[in-house]
Amino acid sequence: GAVVSQHPSWVICKSGTSVKIECRSLDFQATTMFWYRQFPKQSLMLMATSNEGSKATYEQGVEKDKFLINHASLTLSTLTVTSAHPEDSSFYICSARDPGGSYNSPLHFGNGTRLTVT
Amino acid sequence: AQSVAQPEDQVNVAEGNPLTVKCTYSVSGNPYLFWYVQYPNRGLQFLLKYITGDNLVKGSYGFEAEFNKSQTSFHLKKPSALVSDSALYFCAVRDIPMNTGFQKLVFGTGTRLLVSP
Repeated sequence: GAVVSQHPSWVICKSGTSVKIECRSLDFQATTMFWYRQFPKQSLMLMATSNEGSKATYEQGVEKDKFLINHASLTLSTLTVTSAHPEDSSFYICSARDPGGSYNSPLHFGNGTRLTVT
Repeated sequence: AQSVAQPEDQVNVAEGNPLTVKCTYSVSGNPYLFWYVQYPNRGLQFLLKYITGDNLVKGSYGFEAEFNKSQTSFHLKKPSALVSDSALYFCAVRDIPMNTGFQKLVFGTGTRLLVSP
């Protein structure tokens, strides 16, 4: 089945540094990927929709300059948290739509990245 | 905008007993509803979806969900719970905002299911 690989699984960085998270679709092409952030009290928030070859579409309230998204190829989307601060510590999850599926096809999720900013 | 609500933060059930995880929805137009499960420090896994057709939808791992239009609900059920079913469960609805036209999934806040031996 379709697999989405996310790397790294966890990362600890110092405040002020930048962190890049990769999301890869294995064995299938994903023209659209989604980046979610999961808060400690369980809620899952869509941050942005990443489109191959074009600019990402950010959700309201998400800082574009802080959370840089690049979708340069059909199998790779990256999320860079720039100038990270402790409040950016969270669990970030990417997903891609089932290949060849319709808009109602399920999403395949990566295993997430636990970011801790010290 | 479309939304879903999961009224229970946690559901406790004994192994072998039936389980229900509740979800209600608020949509304009036809609802497209999904259930996902998340195990600790992992991404979400698709369980089942309702688009059209039978109100009882069967999914992975013995789970099923009942779509009820009059009650605007889409509760997740399983006849006999297993300890390994303990996880975080998310209800979701498809949303296509008018200003973007891009489809996205809107998730509920999640319900933690604890199945005791």
